[in-house]
Amino acid sequence: GQNIDQPTEMTATEGAIVQINCTYQTSGFNGLFWYQQHAGEAPTFLSYNVLDGLEEKGRFSSFLSRSKGYSYLLLKELQMKDSASYLCAVRDQSNTGKLIFGQGTTLQVKP
Amino acid sequence: EPEVTQTPSHQVTQMGQEVILRCVPISNHLYFYWYRQILGQKVEFLVSFYNNEISEKSEIFDDQFSVERPDGSNFTLKIRSTKLEDSAMYFCASMEGGQPQHFGDGTRLSIL
Repeated sequence: GQNIDQPTEMTATEGAIVQINCTYQTSGFNGLFWYQQHAGEAPTFLSYNVLDGLEEKGRFSSFLSRSKGYSYLLLKELQMKDSASYLCAVRDQSNTGKLIFGQGTTLQVKP
Repeated sequence: EPEVTQTPSHQVTQMGQEVILRCVPISNHLYFYWYRQILGQKVEFLVSFYNNEISEKSEIFDDQFSVERPDGSNFTLKIRSTKLEDSAMYFCASMEGGQPQHFGDGTRLSIL
């Protein structure tokens, strides 16, 4: 079966750092992707990992441990506009490239 | 930056009617997808399309659904005999091989 777990909601303060965790159990693995989704809008790509370790892109970083089935998205210097849902998605080993999404974590940034 | 474009942004249809959702993927992309997101739920894979044929479909994608690439730019999702539970956001996505998928802004489908 396919199972991707994320916390449902998180709250953080403007200027702070927040870490959003994701654990996955899938029948295959070919990359883990993080997307940001504002309410009523499309998911927009943030970061992805295929190999273990940390990928840094400006204020956003993503970490992957394939042996643990675990990833996190780290957001630094939080801004009010970072209030959104953050979607963890796994690309399975089928050569179609389809993504399997978690439920998403709704992050609220407070002043 | 190239974008995936979807039309219409909102479609309201009577139950039992047919709808066609349209997408223009990014021009040099070869892999195309449809996903749906029921309000408050997760994004769900419907179908993938490559080399002018369906490469994979989910259990949701039954005989009610079909996809087509009628020309070199458009990619459509047809839903026949719509049901109330088909109400959702439908996202089109496209991808170069191995790269992240890029999503369109979605079509909000409301079935009355």
